Formats: sequence, structure tokens, C-alpha cells
Amino acid sequence: SQTIHQWPATLVQPVGSPLSLECTVEGTSNPNLYWYRQAAGRGLQLLFYSVGIGQISSEVPQNLSASRPQDRQFILSSKKLLLSDSGFYLCAWSPGQGVETQYFGPGTRLLVL
Amino acid sequence: AQSVTQLDSHVSVSEGTPVLLRCNYSSSYSPSLFWYVQHPNKGLQLLLKYTSAATLVKGINGFEAEFKKSETSFHLTKPSAHMSDAAEYFCVVSPPWGDKVIFGPGTSLSVIP
Repeated sequence: SQTIHQWPATLVQPVGSPLSLECTVEGTSNPNLYWYRQAAGRGLQLLFYSVGIGQISSEVPQNLSASRPQDRQFILSSKKLLLSDSGFYLCAWSPGQGVETQYFGPGTRLLVL
Repeated sequence: AQSVTQLDSHVSVSEGTPVLLRCNYSSSYSPSLFWYVQHPNKGLQLLLKYTSAATLVKGINGFEAEFKKSETSFHLTKPSAHMSDAAEYFCVVSPPWGDKVIFGPGTSLSVIP
């Protein structure tokens, strides 16, 4: 069966510090991968999605970036965090090709102080 | 273009009474539709999905939803609310070719003892 992992679960970082959040998927190959952000009391905002290694599409201009160095690994990064980057970050995967049920990881709670 | 509207940002019901969470969509294509649930500080879990088969879809935990093309609606219902149903619920629309989906803003469900 497929599983998706995210770490860390919780992170407190000072403004201006770098960020690296990791997401890995097991039990499938060539999945579509997604990064979402959920600000407090708000819905989900799609940040990045990837249909293959090295293929990243950005949905919202911001100081975040994403990379997919391996088929089942998706990394969200920032060189300098802003206060507005605080939120709940969710990684998701889908099988690719056709109707896309997305399966979500447990999320990372990021607080920028 | 596609969009999703969840008419109520917050719904409160008494335990044991019916639940109705409303969702309307707009799509240029025949969409696939999903409902996800998110418990506090957790990832999203798929409740049910409609993919052009039966219009009445049964999901987990006693939830079901009916696709009504004429009303462009996909409302989520449950005959009897349980305390554990208290969570955030998201209606999601996907184009036939998948890859990106559109999340509604979410409805927060409270269940009163």
C-alpha cells in the first residue's frame, strides 16, 4: 500500500532563516506531487505541483521554491522566511493520468517568529 | 474554468441530528467531485468521490453525497451526526484529465452534545 510521509511535524523558525520541508511517498512510482499551504482559518492554497523528476510548476509567486530530486521525493524550500510564511503545509500525491484522487500527508505546522 | 463554492463557512448541529454541508461547482467540463475531511492539525482524508458513475455516492463514516448536474451541486449529508464528525470539510472539483484540482474554502462542522 502507498504511504506519504512529511517531516518535521512542527517547526518554529526565526524570520530570515532558511527552510526545508521534505515529503516522500512509498509504494507507488511516478506520482504527481503537490505542496499546499493552509493559513489559519483558511482553505488550501496550491503552491507547487510536479508531474515528474525536475518538473515543477509554481502556482503562486512567493519566496518559496520546490524541488523533486527523486521520483518520490518533494522538497519545499525558502532562503529567507517571512512572517507570512507561517501556516500548515500539506504534501499530497496522486496516481497521475486521469481522475486525480489526492492523498495527503500529515502536514507540517510552521511558525515563523 | 472551474470553481467551487461552499455556501456555509460554519455549520453547527446537535449530536444525532442530520448533517447537510452544501457545495456548488462551476466547470466547463464534466468534472469529478470529491469531499475531504480534515480533523484539527491533521492531513486531509478522502470521504468520497464522484466520477460519472452513480449520482449518489456513499463514503466512509456514514457520509454520502448526491451529484445533481441540473443544480451543479454536490451536497454532503449524514443522517445522524456524531461528536467525532466535528472537523473541516472541503469540496473539491477536478477536470477529467486530473493533474490539478480546485478546493472549496471549507466548511467547519461543530457537533453539540
